[in-house]
Amino acid sequence: DIQLTQSPSFLSASVGDRVTITCRASQGISSYLAWYQQKPGKAPKLLIYAASTLQSGVPSRFSGSGSGTEFTLTISSLQPEDFATYYCQQLQNFGGGTKVEIK
Amino acid sequence: QVQLQESGPGLVKPSETLSLTCAVSGYSISSGYYWGWIRQPPGKGLEWIGSIYHSGSTYYNPSLKSRVTISVDTSKNQFSLKLSSVTAADTAVYYCARHPGFGELIFDYWGQGTLVTVSS
Repeated sequence: DIQLTQSPSFLSASVGDRVTITCRASQGISSYLAWYQQKPGKAPKLLIYAASTLQSGVPSRFSGSGSGTEFTLTISSLQPEDFATYYCQQLQNFGGGTKVEIK
Repeated sequence: QVQLQESGPGLVKPSETLSLTCAVSGYSISSGYYWGWIRQPPGKGLEWIGSIYHSGSTYYNPSLKSRVTISVDTSKNQFSLKLSSVTAADTAVYYCARHPGFGELIFDYWGQGTLVTVSS
């Protein structure tokens, strides 16, 4: 089974910061990676799929990159509504999550 | 606008069967896509449980396969989850969601989730 390891698991940042979250796969997964945002008490929201394709309606400050075993989610300028937990996913496997909190 | 809504008992006794239904509106299940269940124990991460196509074709997470049954009722535009022999470890928020196809587990629409607690 493929393991997805996210880092960091916790991140403290300020509004306007550039934020990068990494997801490493235990073996190559081509570009089969998605990213989700989850706010407390809410369902996850799809942000990016196929490693770098922005889901319709998602702000362009979100971007994804990578292939093989290393992937990144970048928020170019953190907004107040972006404070949440982010998960990567490859098929049936999810990463452990990265919680982004206000510094 | 596609909407999904989970329903079912919020409390299930250990060793019994958890049963949930997901009602879909704004999209006909028979038109395509796969329909899946994902769960999230309190304070923890996400776990895919399994998925179904409108034809009734299913596939399950191997770790849960022996206890899971997913079915679909196209006449009611809904699909259901049964998880047998539950224990406290099955306490979680259960979500239903849509994804494009077999092996394309990209969940673009989700229900709001329903908390199921396993306790006597």
